[in-house]
Amino acid sequence: DQQVKQNSPSLSVQEGRISILNCDYTNSMFDYFLWYKKYPAEGPTFLISISSIKDKNEDGRFTVFLNKSAKHLSLHIVPSQPGDSAVYFCAAWGFSGSARQLTFGSGTQLTVLP
Amino acid sequence: NAGVTQTPKFRILKIGQSMTLQCTQDMNHNYMYWYRQDPGMGLKLIYYSVGAGITDKGEVPNGYNVSRSTTEDFPLRLELAAPSQTSVYFCASSSLQGDNGYTFGSGTRLTVV
Repeated sequence: DQQVKQNSPSLSVQEGRISILNCDYTNSMFDYFLWYKKYPAEGPTFLISISSIKDKNEDGRFTVFLNKSAKHLSLHIVPSQPGDSAVYFCAAWGFSGSARQLTFGSGTQLTVLP
Repeated sequence: NAGVTQTPKFRILKIGQSMTLQCTQDMNHNYMYWYRQDPGMGLKLIYYSVGAGITDKGEVPNGYNVSRSTTEDFPLRLELAAPSQTSVYFCASSSLQGDNGYTFGSGTRLTVV
């Protein structure tokens, strides 16, 4: 039972265009959402986050949008650059048992074509 | 500032062998985690710890054991390696609040043959 879903395993975008990565969740108790970026042979690194009380957070070329009613968030990268090619994981904070934990999606491989 | 350090980076094990994956963090984080990532799959939680002396099972704990004797160290033990444990293993840590999520190590790529 996947609580955080990334339905697109891969996405290819031309350099300079917008990349839109999507994520859906089922647990309405999730209160904070994050995006991680992962290069091959490295661990995931934190990219951007958003609280459940907001609907948008921006950091340079990266913007995360949250639609709580649809239980959907998206990451926009504008303009996309070849160095953005990586796997992007969506994650959500919530309680599992007594501990606050991150639940991860399965990831989307973004390829930015020069 | 080293962050989260995992050793070894690569290992090949024979079926039935045992090994310990090491994880150390220098950020004084209370929470530590072990994940595995199989090809084309997301991160699955194996075990986690909310502080020294306290550990608990995650989603896929079978075949693994952990201990947390200090705040800094969270080793993962494989007792009888099986081909199904071929994966990339990531250790992570976070502070109590963790609004920036986890800090991950660079991973250990394990192959069981």
